[in-house]
Amino acid sequence: GAGVSQSPRYKVAKRGQDVALRCDPISGHVSLFWYQQALGQGPEFLTYFQNEAQLDKSGLPSDRFFAERPEGSVSTLKIQRTQQEDSAVYLCASSPGRMGAEAFFGQGTRLTVV
Amino acid sequence: GNSVTQMEGPVTLSEEAFLTINCTYTATGYPSLFWYVQYPGEGLQLLLKATKADDKGSNKGFEATYRKETTSFHLEKGSVQVSDSAVYFCALSRTSGSRLTFGEGTQLTVNP
Repeated sequence: GAGVSQSPRYKVAKRGQDVALRCDPISGHVSLFWYQQALGQGPEFLTYFQNEAQLDKSGLPSDRFFAERPEGSVSTLKIQRTQQEDSAVYLCASSPGRMGAEAFFGQGTRLTVV
Repeated sequence: GNSVTQMEGPVTLSEEAFLTINCTYTATGYPSLFWYVQYPGEGLQLLLKATKADDKGSNKGFEATYRKETTSFHLEKGSVQVSDSAVYFCALSRTSGSRLTFGEGTQLTVNP
C-alpha cells in the first residue's frame, strides 16, 4: 500500500473486553514499532519487531498487552481485559530497517474504554 | 534513561511571525534528533532530523541545529503560515532508525 494502514480507526470497548488492533506496514518494511499516545502527550514506545522477531517489548505496560507479527508483515496489538487507563491512540510505524531510514507512521487507532 | 523536554504550549502566532519551539534532551552518547509534525486528522510525519553535533536539519522553511553543548534542538521558522498550524514533537533515538523517545508536543496555531 501507499502508507502504513491501521484499523480500526476508532474503537470503543467496555471495561474488561479484549481488543485487537491491526497494523499493515509499508510493503517490504523490515522494522515495525508500536507506540501509545495518551491525550495531550507524546507517543510512548511499546514494542519493536524486526521481521517476525519481537526484539524489544520493554515498553508494554502490563502482561495484558501482547503484540505479534507472525509472518513479518501485518502486526496485531492485543489488549486483554481493557481498563480505562488503556484509553489512548495506538500508533504503528514501519521503516526499511536500514541505519538512518525514516519511520513512517499510520494514522493510529483511537481506543476509548468505557 | 533518555528523555526529551519541549516548551509548554499552546503557541499562537500571527501569519509571518517568527517561530521558535524549544527542545532539550537527556541521553547518553550521541543520539539522533528529530522533529515530527502532526497535522489535524493525519499521522505523524518526519519534518527534519540531525544525526550528529552541529548538524542542521531543514525542511519547508523550518530549521533546527543539533547543539551538543546545550543538549538542545530548537525548531525555528522565519515566517509562519496558517498551514503550519499543527502539533510539533521533538524526538530522539539512540541511532537513526531505532525506537523514538518523544517530547510532550507543542500545539501551534497560526492566525491569518
